[in-house]
Parts: sequence; C-alpha cells; structure tokens
Amino acid sequence: DVKVTQSSRYLVKRTGEKVFLECVQDMDHENMFWYRQDPGLGLRLIYFSYDVKMKEKGDIPEGYSVSREKKERFSLILESASTNQTSMYLCASSPPGDLNYGYTFGSGTRLTVV
Amino acid sequence: GDSVTQMEGPVTLSEEAFLTINCTYTATGYPSLFWYVQYPGEGLQLLLKATKADDKGSNKGFEATYRKETTSFHLEKGSVQVSDSAVYFCALRGRALTFGSGTRLQVQP
Repeated sequence: DVKVTQSSRYLVKRTGEKVFLECVQDMDHENMFWYRQDPGLGLRLIYFSYDVKMKEKGDIPEGYSVSREKKERFSLILESASTNQTSMYLCASSPPGDLNYGYTFGSGTRLTVV
Repeated sequence: GDSVTQMEGPVTLSEEAFLTINCTYTATGYPSLFWYVQYPGEGLQLLLKATKADDKGSNKGFEATYRKETTSFHLEKGSVQVSDSAVYFCALRGRALTFGSGTRLQVQP
C-alpha cells in the first residue's frame, strides 16, 4: 500500500513563528500536494509539485512556501504563522501522467496558531 | 475555473435507509470525477471514480454515475450502515483535484 506520512498529528505554534510541516511518501510518486481543510470550505489547494525542485502555486498560496529537495519529501512552510492559518493540513501524492488516478492522502496535521 | 458544489449536511439517516448526496460541477471539458470519504480522525480515502460520461463508479455498495448533461455525479447507497458515518467529498481532476465542501453523514442505529 502507498503510504503518505505526515510527521506531526497535532502542532501548536505561536504567532510569528516559522513552521515546517513535513510529508513523506514511499511509492516513488512524482506528484505531491498540500491542501488545507476547513469546515464548510472543503479542501483547498495550497501548493503542488510534479517533480523534485519544482513547485506550482495552488488556489491559496499566500503566506506559504514549499520545498521539494528529494522526490519522497514535500515540505510546507509557514513563513510567519498567523492565527488564520489554524487548520487541518493534508498532504497527498499520486503517480505521474494518469489524470484518472486518485490521490493517496496522509492522516493530516492539525495546526493551531496561538 | 473549476468548482464542485455539494449538498450541505449533516445528513442524518436511520440504518438501512437510502442515501443520496448530490454533487454538481463546473469545469472545462470532461474531467475525471471522484468521491472520497473521511472517517473520524483519518485522512481521505478514495471511495470511487468515473473517468468519462455515463461511467458508473462503485465500491462498498456506493455508486455514482457521471452525467455530463446535468454535470452531476451524485453518490447513492441503497442501505446505509452505522459504519458509513463519515464526511464525503466530491472532487474533479483538473490540474489538481478540486474538492467540494464535504457532506457529513450520520447514520443512527
């Protein structure tokens, strides 16, 4: 089974801190994604990556950046955390090319910014 | 741009009742369509998919048919169980997956 592992299940950070959320997948997938999930809004795409060192902005990239130095790891960075970034963050991966393939998701990181 | 609209929840049903969760979409062309399920405390799992018009996706007793005339992909199940209680997300595949807002299903014994 494809596994997508997010390093922390729960995280509490202070306003203004730099926050790193880590995601690792073990199936050699080229594509990786970061979403945030908020009640009533569903999942919204923050950033995604189709290859190492490559990144593309999603629908809500403001206040975030990403890093993909290795194929299996995709990090989401909150440059200066704010309370409106309190949310559930979900990482996902998929193989390349096949637009009919669904994504495999991690269990999520619930981030609280105080 | 792409968008997905789902019926608002929560949907509360008794065990063995019939389930329908409505989903409509707006997109260029004919994207692949998906239903994902999120059980309490877990990430999203792929439930079923359909890749072209009139395709029917099915899994675990759930079904959804890709209707391009009505741009819809409604989720149905003939007899729900308590274990089906979860949040259900409809999604379409554009440059990435675009999700609806989710519908919470609560099944009572």
